[in-house]
Amino acid sequence: QKEVEQDPGPLSVPEGAIVSLNCTYSNSAFQYFMWYRQYSRKGPELLMYTYSSGNKEDGRFTAQVDKSSKYISLFIRDSQPSDSATYLCAMRPMDSNYQLIWGAGTKLIIKP
Amino acid sequence: NAGVTQTPKFRILKIGQSMTLQCTQDMNHNYMYWYRQDPGMGLKLIYYSVGAGITDKGEVPNGYNVSRSTTEDFPLRLELAAPSQTSVYFCASSPRGGNTEAFFGQGTRLTVV
Repeated sequence: QKEVEQDPGPLSVPEGAIVSLNCTYSNSAFQYFMWYRQYSRKGPELLMYTYSSGNKEDGRFTAQVDKSSKYISLFIRDSQPSDSATYLCAMRPMDSNYQLIWGAGTKLIIKP
Repeated sequence: NAGVTQTPKFRILKIGQSMTLQCTQDMNHNYMYWYRQDPGMGLKLIYYSVGAGITDKGEVPNGYNVSRSTTEDFPLRLELAAPSQTSVYFCASSPRGGNTEAFFGQGTRLTVV
C-alpha cells in the first residue's frame, strides 16, 4: 500500500463547476501538506501549502486538511479550461526536512 | 527571470553509457533537489543539497551522483545507464529548508535502450 493515495482520474468536469481533488495518507506523522499543479510536459508548480489541520484559501483554490481522517482536499471554484492539468499532493512529517512523500497525481480535464 | 533551467530536455542513452543532467537556478536558493517521476508513481527524491559543497542522498540515490560547487549549479551524473533509469528527471530549488516551497525546472526526459 502506498503511503499517499490519489485517484489517477481522469476527472472530467464542465467549465464553471466546483472541482474536488483528494489524497488519503497512512502516516499520522505528516504535518506539512502541499498541492502542486503540473501541466503536460512541464515541471510541477506549487499551488498551496498548509501546516497541520484546517483550511487555507487562495483565490479560486481552497486546501483542506482533515488529520483525523488522514485526508486532504483541494477545491477549485469556477473551474476554467486553463485548470486542466495533473494535480499532485505532497506531504512530510515534522522531523524530516527534505523527504516529501508524493501522490501519483490526478488528471483533471475542464470541458469548455 | 529564468528560474530553474534544465538541459537537455530529451536524451536517449544506450545501456552502459554515462551522462550529466545539468541544472542551474538564478534565484540564489541554497536548497536544491533532484527528483525522478515515473508513470503512476509519485516523485522520488534522488539527491538534495543544502548549499554549495553539501549534498546528501534522498530516497533513490543508487546509480546517480551529484556535486554542488556553486549556489547556482547542481548537476546529476548517471554512471553506467540502465533501462530502470528511464524516467523524467526534475531539478528543483527552494528558498528555505523544509522543502515546502519548491520551484521546478521543465524536466529532462531520459530513455535508456
